[in-house]
Amino acid sequence: TQLLEQSPQFLSIQEGENLTVYCNSSSVFSSLQWYRQEPGEGPVLLVTVVTGGEVKKLKRLTFQFGDARKDSSLHITAAQPGDTGLYLCAGANAGGTSYGKLTFGQGTILTVHP
Amino acid sequence: NAGVMQNPRHLVRRRGQEARLRCSPMKGHSHVYWYRQLPEEGLKFMVYLQKENIIDESGMPKERFSAEFPKEGPSILRIQQVVRGDSAAYFCASSPPSNYGYTFGSGTRLTVV
Repeated sequence: TQLLEQSPQFLSIQEGENLTVYCNSSSVFSSLQWYRQEPGEGPVLLVTVVTGGEVKKLKRLTFQFGDARKDSSLHITAAQPGDTGLYLCAGANAGGTSYGKLTFGQGTILTVHP
Repeated sequence: NAGVMQNPRHLVRRRGQEARLRCSPMKGHSHVYWYRQLPEEGLKFMVYLQKENIIDESGMPKERFSAEFPKEGPSILRIQQVVRGDSAAYFCASSPPSNYGYTFGSGTRLTVV
């Protein structure tokens, strides 16, 4: 069974601070996706990383995929209250009938205080 | 494009009744996935379907749960004889054949009373 360990589970910071969320596994994934979920809504895809060592930037968000494709991180610079939400990492399987199936981490609940 | 449409948004069923959850994928998406989100737990994979085919149902409970994605119409997740433990948010997602990135619906929140 593939598992994704996401940390920290809760993060409460002040506006303007930087933060990093980690997603670790002992398994290799074909790709790693990051989602953000608002209360009462479904997850919304932020980014997909595919290549080991890949770094993608989305405004103040920086996503990195580990060289071995087993781990990933999300870094937010100068957090704003609008960044508040649940952040989820999810790994996609490499092939076979499980191709496309996602394994989700437990999520990080981020609260940014004004 | 309205995105992935799930209905109903909220569903209340008494123990022993049947629950039917519907999902219409995004236009052009041929792959549909169902996930369940229980309180204090993450999203758990249930089933992966393509038109008229179940590709992977390894996350589906062995009894009472079934899913289909017919040639015409939405995908249906069916739960027979619901129990309180079935109360959860059920999310449908769709993707194009590349599988690189899902689009999730807003979910159906099932409450069993």
